[in-house]
Amino acid sequence: QLQLQESGPGLVKPSETLSLTCTVSGGSISSSSYYWGWIRQPPGKGLEWIGSIYYSGSTYYNPSLKSRVTISVDTSKNQFSLKLSSVTAADTAVYYCARHADGAASDWGQGTLVTVSS
Amino acid sequence: EIVMTQSPATLSVSPGERATLSCRASQSVSSNLAWYQQKPGQAPRLLIYGASTRATGIPARFSGSGSGTEFTLTISSLQSEDFAVYYCQQYNNWPAYTFGQGTKLEIK
Repeated sequence: QLQLQESGPGLVKPSETLSLTCTVSGGSISSSSYYWGWIRQPPGKGLEWIGSIYYSGSTYYNPSLKSRVTISVDTSKNQFSLKLSSVTAADTAVYYCARHADGAASDWGQGTLVTVSS
Repeated sequence: EIVMTQSPATLSVSPGERATLSCRASQSVSSNLAWYQQKPGQAPRLLIYGASTRATGIPARFSGSGSGTEFTLTISSLQSEDFAVYYCQQYNNWPAYTFGQGTKLEIK
């Protein structure tokens, strides 16, 4: 059974870079059928798609965040990662990693709360 | 950006009754529409994709319909475990996928 697990610092200072990693187990990140994405949810609010990556390294970012987002993949470790630069309090959220084929995310990590505060 | 608008914001329904949730897109998304269920402290769970196809393991009481700009999620006979927040998501505009603001389904 596929499992995804987010990891990374739970607290980031304003203006710094948020870095998270998603480790995939029970399946290969190199599957040609799937993309691997990041989605976030501010406390008490709705969901926002950040971007996705294919195992080949092709990336697809939401235009609203594109200038600050970098997603990368490490197939040798079965992991993909998110970097979000110049964070502010508005970036405080639960960050989820997920797998999707066309665009519907069928498998999700449990999520990790990242707080932006000095 | 395609704006997804869900209604109502909160829906109060008794167990055993039918619940109907709506989602409207600001422009056509064809059938590239998914529904998710989210319970407190949990990740969303995919219920429906392609506007009307149930995801693996989803009970038959969940059904989706619609295309273009108007979509509906129907839960035919509410069970206690169905009370949650439901989100729609369009994936027609890659990679600017967008979600609705959610409908909270609560026990009446």
